[in-house]
Amino acid sequence: DTEVTQTPKHLVMGMTNKKSLKCEQHMGHRAMYWYKQKAKKPPELMFVYSYEKLSINESVPSRFSPECPNSSLLNLHLHALQPEDSALYLCASSHSAGELFFGEGSRLTVL
Amino acid sequence: AQSVTQPDIHITVSEGASLELRCNYSYGATPYLFWYVQSPGQGLQLLLKYFSGDTLVQGIKGFEAEFKRSQSSFNLRKPSVHWSDAAEYFCAVGAFSNQFYFGTGTSLTVIP
Repeated sequence: DTEVTQTPKHLVMGMTNKKSLKCEQHMGHRAMYWYKQKAKKPPELMFVYSYEKLSINESVPSRFSPECPNSSLLNLHLHALQPEDSALYLCASSHSAGELFFGEGSRLTVL
Repeated sequence: AQSVTQPDIHITVSEGASLELRCNYSYGATPYLFWYVQSPGQGLQLLLKYFSGDTLVQGIKGFEAEFKRSQSSFNLRKPSVHWSDAAEYFCAVGAFSNQFYFGTGTSLTVIP
């Protein structure tokens, strides 16, 4: 199994809503990532978990809250988002010093 | 500081023609190098990677890339482009501590 699975594929939320994005991998990777991607731009790193501990937070606003319940799962909790947060949110995983395996992404629209 | 440069924002080629996408990097040590492809609305798919050894690496979908240390380059090539190759292409450098640096991407259009 070489897949990273993300749910939901599409999400529309209002600025007062609370929602979550989910990511799962069963490749035994111990590093998991959240990226944000705007159209025609490269992915921007948000968070990295290494061995289930948050190792990198790229100064992301607190309205984004990551969680890593176990080595296979990664969540991104969303609350009080702004319209400019609309983007494709990509989850990825990797072995140490290996390539990133990306999921298909969750397309988020904030109204 | 680490950085990745893709000089070509957009490239248009005819189907069947050859393709070369440029990538230059700045990194203090021997880098791990990657090329990813992204179709509209999709995630990024790994085309190929270079860690060490043979500087000419083969990837999926008929792509290859050559690592040239003296030029700090890792250019992607394909001898004959297919219409399905139209996509966004990202070059990336992998560093320690789970850090990856992406280029700004090259958008490929294929005309029949």
